[in-house]
Amino acid sequence: QQQVKQSPQSLIVQKGGISIINCAYENTAFDYFPWYQQFPGKGPALLIAIRPDVSEKKEGRFTISFNKSAKQFSLHIMDSQPGDSATYFCAARSTNFGNEKLTFGTGTRLTIIP
Amino acid sequence: DTGVSQNPRHKITKRGQNVTFRCDPISEHNRLYWYRQTLGQGPEFLTYFQNEAQLEKSRLLSDRFSAERPKGSFSTLEIQRTEQGDSAMYLCASSPRGGTGNTIYFGEGSWLTVV
Repeated sequence: QQQVKQSPQSLIVQKGGISIINCAYENTAFDYFPWYQQFPGKGPALLIAIRPDVSEKKEGRFTISFNKSAKQFSLHIMDSQPGDSATYFCAARSTNFGNEKLTFGTGTRLTIIP
Repeated sequence: DTGVSQNPRHKITKRGQNVTFRCDPISEHNRLYWYRQTLGQGPEFLTYFQNEAQLEKSRLLSDRFSAERPKGSFSTLEIQRTEQGDSAMYLCASSPRGGTGNTIYFGEGSWLTVV
């Protein structure tokens, strides 16, 4: 059962453009939504995260938009750069004690072209 | 803070052999997680420790898999009688206690190839 659905599977964006990756979740117990960036051969690194009590969080060029009623959230990368080329994973987690595992989406391979 | 450390980074083993991976979490992180990631997929949860107590195990963790965290510090993940389907990257992660306890930091993973 895939609890977090991510799209698109791959994305090509021109340098300077906006990259948008979308995720949808099913489990209403989820209350923490991080995005991870992963380069080939490396482990995932936390990029930005949001809780459902806010609709948007911005850190530098990265913004998460969150729609609680639709159970959807998205990552926007402004002014995309070649160094942003990586695989991005959305994830969701319930912070209730004893149920703290992250459930990941299937990933989006982002390529930024000059 | 040297990050989550995993060893070995790469392991090639013959089918049927046993393998063990070690994870050293970030100092004073009391939560430790093991995930498995196959090519083109997101990490999948395997198990989770709070200190030395193993609190949750995934159905993915068959009886050939065992994880320990003695003394609540480093952890080991052992796979017995390896199968080709076990080929994957095994990721360890840790998380601190308290208000920042939601942030999970991953290591660089241990690649397993079963031939």
